[in-house]
Amino acid sequence: QVQLQQSGPGLVKPSETLSLTCTVSGDSISSHYWTWIRQPPGKGLEWIGYIYYSGSTNYNPSLKSRVTISVDTSRNQCSLTLTSVTAADTAVYYCTRGHYGNDYWGQGTQVTVSS
Amino acid sequence: DIVMTQSPDSLAVSLGERATINCKSSQTVLESSDNKNYLGWYQQKPGQPPKLLFYWASTRASGVPDRFSGSGSGTDFTLTISSLQAEDVAVYYCQQYYGSPRTFGQGTKLEI
Repeated sequence: QVQLQQSGPGLVKPSETLSLTCTVSGDSISSHYWTWIRQPPGKGLEWIGYIYYSGSTNYNPSLKSRVTISVDTSRNQCSLTLTSVTAADTAVYYCTRGHYGNDYWGQGTQVTVSS
Repeated sequence: DIVMTQSPDSLAVSLGERATINCKSSQTVLESSDNKNYLGWYQQKPGQPPKLLFYWASTRASGVPDRFSGSGSGTDFTLTISSLQAEDVAVYYCQQYYGSPRTFGQGTKLEI
């Protein structure tokens, strides 16, 4: 079955870069769009952006200057990079499959921005 | 941005009773070229990632019990649980994928 396994640090210092990776099994990363979504503590869901394996991306304008989503087809992975983080970026980050409805989700990574 | 507004913010329903959650978008999410509503519904239980319930507003995702139904078109949508079960306690979100950025409703907390 399709599984999305997320990895990356849970603690990032202010002004530094957040980097997360999503390893897909049971499916080809080249067959779908891949979306990152985050959820601040006790709050709702915020769409970060998506990528197609061809490299086509669409980002939330509120994050566009700081975010990069990429894919590595050889490793069947999707990655998120967010630069110049602040406490406002503290959230659970999710990797998901799809962009017209997200049908598979990673387990989530709690990222705390703190010195 | 398309603003998604859910009502109510929280809802308490007895076991076996009907639960209804509403979602309103600030502009239409009905695409005229394919007559599809670009709207999804998600269920999130504590400590878990959200689970897709419906896409295209009313197409049930795989494995979703048929006591759940999605309806509506244009700007007004409804998620209905016909007979509430204990395992349905969760926060429910609607999301539009008609425009960019994709946006979610604020969530509706469903309790027994």
